[in-house]
Amino acid sequence: GAVVSQHPSRVICKSGTSVKIECRSLDFQATTMFWYRQFPKQSLMLMATSNEGSKATYEQGVEKDKFLINHASLTLSTLTVTSAHPEDSSFYICSARPGQGINQPQHFGDGTRLSIL
Amino acid sequence: DAKTTQPPSMDCAEGRAANLPCNHSTISGNEYVYWYRQIHSQGPQYIIHGLKNNETNEMASLIITEDRKSSTLILPHATLRDTAVYYCIVRRLAGNMLTFGGGTRLMVKP
Repeated sequence: GAVVSQHPSRVICKSGTSVKIECRSLDFQATTMFWYRQFPKQSLMLMATSNEGSKATYEQGVEKDKFLINHASLTLSTLTVTSAHPEDSSFYICSARPGQGINQPQHFGDGTRLSIL
Repeated sequence: DAKTTQPPSMDCAEGRAANLPCNHSTISGNEYVYWYRQIHSQGPQYIIHGLKNNETNEMASLIITEDRKSSTLILPHATLRDTAVYYCIVRRLAGNMLTFGGGTRLMVKP
């Protein structure tokens, strides 16, 4: 079945550091990938839609200069949290859907737990 | 996309069927019902989806009412590993993103 791989699974770093998270579709091509954020005891919130070969589309309230998204190939999207601060600590999750068939379900990575000290 | 309503939590005895309800009274004709679950500290896992007919796979069954205003996810023999938050999501046919609500926290007890 469709698999989405996310790396790293956990990051702990100092305030001011930039952190890059990778999301790969392992057995299918994905022209569109999605980045979500989840705070403790809350549901997933969509941050942005990553489009292969073009600019990402950000949800209202999400700073595009803070959360840089690059979708350079059909199997890889990256999210870079720039100059991270403690309030950026969260669980970041990516998802992708096989491009063929508009009825295909989305599949999710296992998430990246980011802790900023 | 139509909004969904789910009970915040449910308990189920191990080995028994778990029936998780979802209301989606504003669903439109081109919207599918999707179910995902999220086990603690993991990404959401796809379970099943349907349009108007009942669906069954190796994980669960999905029962959609005739008027499509509600649905029920059935785990036929719940195990402790089925303890998770279950999300019912309605998405239009050509839609892309999934919008998550609060979900139902299912606790399977021995």
